[in-house]
Amino acid sequence: AQTVTQSQPEMSVQEAETVTLSCTYDTSESDYYLFWYKQPPSRQMILVIRQEAYKQQNATENRFSVNFQKAAKSFSLKISDSQLGDAAMYFCAYRRTGNQFYFGTGTSLTVIP
Amino acid sequence: GAVVSQHPSRVICKSGTSVKIECRSLDFQATTMFWYRQFPKQSLMLMATSNEGSKATYEQGVEKDKFLINHASLTLSTLTVTSAHPEDSSFYICSARDPGHSYEQYFGPGTRLTVT
Repeated sequence: AQTVTQSQPEMSVQEAETVTLSCTYDTSESDYYLFWYKQPPSRQMILVIRQEAYKQQNATENRFSVNFQKAAKSFSLKISDSQLGDAAMYFCAYRRTGNQFYFGTGTSLTVIP
Repeated sequence: GAVVSQHPSRVICKSGTSVKIECRSLDFQATTMFWYRQFPKQSLMLMATSNEGSKATYEQGVEKDKFLINHASLTLSTLTVTSAHPEDSSFYICSARDPGHSYEQYFGPGTRLTVT
């Protein structure tokens, strides 16, 4: 089974600053997707950003960007200009097309005003 | 994006009783849905894959007789926790796969189950 590792259980960032959340994964497949999900206290899973493994270009969504290193099996999330509403649990996830997600253990992000 | 609903959002039941949780895809037909469980401050763990018109596939360690899954239509999958015990208290989340959008998956809002 695929494994996803998030080595930072907790992170904090000053409002308006930048923070990077780390994620590594293990797979023998070449075609897959990687995701970052945000889970606020409501527990609803909110898609932050996704990356197709076949694309070399790093995905970007407004203040959120990833650093995808396929050979190193690394997929970090950078949040720029952090806002109070960014505070949440962040999960890195791996998925093959049509199949189930494999989630990391999560990183709890605190944004300090 | 597509909408997936779950009902109920919260449920409290007594030990030994059964409780049913519904997962519905509201604007697409989902031939496959997935059920996850999340304990407090932990990650989501896949319990089973629910396929319309066939038996669910359970992950190792998940008791299929305790967690009954029925995917009777293309828009509805149900998870029934039978003879619930306090250790079954958890947050249950479903996701539905949309074959019309490159098999993208969408999460429901989750159901918090408390067994007393």
